[in-house]
Amino acid sequence: DAKTTQPPSMDCAEGRAANLPCNHSTISGNEYVYWYRQIHSQGPQYIIHGLKNNETNEMASLIITEDRKSSTLILPHATLRDTAVYYCIVRVGNAGGTSYGKLTFGQGTILTVHP
Amino acid sequence: DTGVSQDPRHKITKRGQNVTFRCDPISEHNRLYWYRQTLGQGPEFLTYFQNEAQLEKSRLLSDRFSAERPKGSFSTLEIQRTEQGDSAMYLCASTRYSGTSRNTIYFGEGSWLTVV
Repeated sequence: DAKTTQPPSMDCAEGRAANLPCNHSTISGNEYVYWYRQIHSQGPQYIIHGLKNNETNEMASLIITEDRKSSTLILPHATLRDTAVYYCIVRVGNAGGTSYGKLTFGQGTILTVHP
Repeated sequence: DTGVSQDPRHKITKRGQNVTFRCDPISEHNRLYWYRQTLGQGPEFLTYFQNEAQLEKSRLLSDRFSAERPKGSFSTLEIQRTEQGDSAMYLCASTRYSGTSRNTIYFGEGSWLTVV
């Protein structure tokens, strides 16, 4: 799986949009971008994933650049409960092969939402 | 609550003792994964099962570690002769692998191990 680079920490004011960047310049054509977050002392929580099109769900939006070398996770209206470590992961998305589900986590970005 | 259940949530044990963690995946999820996470680090892959078959083990999984999934449902992770370096959170995750889909992988809340 391709390696990702994220800033170690970011701050965001409550109610504002939080934009978390991720670089994955070596991503392959069949690799998806996944985002998970981990609130202190809990297991990672799935947020969103995408291949090349922008994606949106009830939690967040994912913007992937046209060359797919970077992406941005957007939390549109951050709350204090969004304070967590956010992990950007790229992995083979097709279910074939033993690597399916074998997520490689980096250090992630510590997002702190303040009042 | 993702539906992946882990037990116990916390375990304190003396060095040299054996410990066992249990994971109950989401019903009908045929793939089950174990990860380990130490303070300040992201989770690291240990091993995974498809149904009852253990298909891959990380080199992080020393001989003191053994995992089973006897009936393709719940799984256990046993650590024998625990060492202080085993202190970590042990995470279980599951997904439904069908050969053509790319379903979401759900994690449990983890089991914290402290070896004293």
